[in-house]
Amino acid sequence: SQQGEEDPQALSIQEGENATMNCSYKTSINNLQWYRQNSGRGLVHLILIRSNEREKHSGRLRVTLDTSKKSSSLLITASRAADTASYFCATDALDYKLSFGAGTTVTVRA
Amino acid sequence: NAGVTQTPKFRVLKTGQSMTLLCAQDMNHEYMYWYRQDPGMGLRLIHYSVGEGTTAKGEVPDGYNVSRLKKQNFLLGLESAAPSQTSVYFCASKKQRGAGYGYTFGSGTRLTVV
Repeated sequence: SQQGEEDPQALSIQEGENATMNCSYKTSINNLQWYRQNSGRGLVHLILIRSNEREKHSGRLRVTLDTSKKSSSLLITASRAADTASYFCATDALDYKLSFGAGTTVTVRA
Repeated sequence: NAGVTQTPKFRVLKTGQSMTLLCAQDMNHEYMYWYRQDPGMGLRLIHYSVGEGTTAKGEVPDGYNVSRLKKQNFLLGLESAAPSQTSVYFCASKKQRGAGYGYTFGSGTRLTVV
């Protein structure tokens, strides 16, 4: 079974709007990572947050982590058409083995 | 600097045939991984290696074998392909253990077993 579960499974927003997706996981972790995958392509690392961190920013991305609730959220601000992709959270319990969720498919409408 | 290279990119196999997927990295990374991605399920870990000459089972190892004879290469073998192994396979590598070291993914191999 997979460690992480993303919510929602799919999200459609207008260009310029914010997109928020959530990830819940089952067991304790050392860090949590978010990846983007454009259709038919490989995975691109977006951001990593360690278990002792609560919030992290990178450009238009904001990630939060609540270890007491075993959950994380990814916020993409001012979305663009190029943000259309699938987004995956991945937990790393041992700092050397990722476990992925099923992903959230984001569609940004022009 | 090519990163992680997967060969081949596409392949169609008949049930029962065998094949080997090659993953090569030129970053001197210790850790290497094979994942499969099926629709709606994200990536699942098949096998991984923490160094040359070592291999370990992941979440879904049945029907696959791996070898890491050279540090830069990680081979994934299917001895007798089954339609359930139709998937997109991704290789990844990591320099060493620790959150400060990121994972690098290859572009994937799309395998269809008919």
